[in-house]
Amino acid sequence: AQSVTQLGSHVSVSEGALVLLRCNYSSSVPPYLFWYVQYPNQGLQLLLKYTTGATLVKGINGFEAEFKKSETSFHLTKPSAHMSDAAEYFCAVSPSGNTGKLIFGQGTTLQVKP
Amino acid sequence: DTEVTQTPKHLVMGMTNKKSLKCEQHMGHRAMYWYKQKAKKPPELMFVYSYEKLSINESVPSRFSPECPNSSLLNLHLHALQPEDSALYLCASSQLSGVNTEAFFGQGTRLTVV
Repeated sequence: AQSVTQLGSHVSVSEGALVLLRCNYSSSVPPYLFWYVQYPNQGLQLLLKYTTGATLVKGINGFEAEFKKSETSFHLTKPSAHMSDAAEYFCAVSPSGNTGKLIFGQGTTLQVKP
Repeated sequence: DTEVTQTPKHLVMGMTNKKSLKCEQHMGHRAMYWYKQKAKKPPELMFVYSYEKLSINESVPSRFSPECPNSSLLNLHLHALQPEDSALYLCASSQLSGVNTEAFFGQGTRLTVV
């Protein structure tokens, strides 16, 4: 069975600092991996995805993630945090072929301090 | 148009009421999904429709009844709910094949059962 583990339920950074949100997955087949962001009382917005090909994936709002098969990781980074980045971040995995059937990690709350 | 529209945004219902949640997309997606999200938790898949047919029911109680009248619409009929069913209900849609098969989420319906 596939699963996702997000290390750290709460991450706090200063504005302008590096953002690093950790995600490890478990999958018996090549996974499709996603990062979604959720602002308070909102739905989920896709930040970026990995399906095949280049392992360094660039997304919206300056975020990127690197797929490392040897480490079964898909960590999300952003060089410089903005106050507007404060939100809940979910890493998710899907079985091949149906990328709307998602298994989510527990989520990481990102706090950005001025 | 890359939107998934959910109505209503908020719903309060009694345990003996019958109500429906609605979801609409005009992206030509042939898969639609219902997710349930409790506070401070990740979304959990409830139902999947593929080509307007129910393909996955994640052991959801029968007081939740999904319906897909056409390829653009998805309903969730609610009857005799319990207070523990209070949650954010998210609708999503995706393509079933091709390069861009990621899920697009609506803003959700915040349901309170009293």
